[in-house]
Amino acid sequence: GDSVTQMEGPVTLSEEAFLTINCTYTATGYPSLFWYVQYPGEGLQLLLKATKADDKGSNKGFEATYRKETTSFHLEKGSVQVSDSAVYFCALNYGGSQGNLIFGKGTKLSVKP
Amino acid sequence: EAGVTQFPSHSVIEKGQTVTLRCDPISGHDNLYWYRRVMGKEIKFLLHFVKESKQDESGMPNNRFLAERTGGTYSTLKVQPAELEDSGVYFCASSQVGQLTDTQYFGPGTRLTVL
Repeated sequence: GDSVTQMEGPVTLSEEAFLTINCTYTATGYPSLFWYVQYPGEGLQLLLKATKADDKGSNKGFEATYRKETTSFHLEKGSVQVSDSAVYFCALNYGGSQGNLIFGKGTKLSVKP
Repeated sequence: EAGVTQFPSHSVIEKGQTVTLRCDPISGHDNLYWYRRVMGKEIKFLLHFVKESKQDESGMPNNRFLAERTGGTYSTLKVQPAELEDSGVYFCASSQVGQLTDTQYFGPGTRLTVL
């Protein structure tokens, strides 16, 4: 079945460091890919998404590119801030009647000043 | 516009008791999903409603879990009787029908602890 694997955390970075959180997927079809973020004490929020191969999703300085050839959707940010400290979840779905999201385990990011 | 709301935010019950979780989706969203995250594991899909109909309940772990969405508005998830392994955070999400890739909007979750 379909699955998502993301790098284990926690990840600790200094402010202004470069961030990469790896995410790879196994899919039987052509899913859409998502990054969700959960800030402390809050629910999950959609950070960015990409619906087809080579699409790049971006938001709040974060980017991820849908790579079909490597089945990857790595999250990157050039300069992290303390406010980026959160848990990041990579996920996929097919939309419509197969709209349920399949999540990775989540990666906790802590950014130190 | 109000987001997805869930009640209660926390629930602590003893094994064998019954608990009912409630989710109010964003107004006008016909898709409603329930998910669960057990400590240290992935967020797992439980079921999917389209309006009041169960579209997919393949993720429901067993018959101790009962979900309803009467009238196609809010939904409840009842666990009866609760077991220790039911502890976790239960998330609800909603989205609009008709989009190829529905963006799901999540509630803050209900943290359930079964003692």
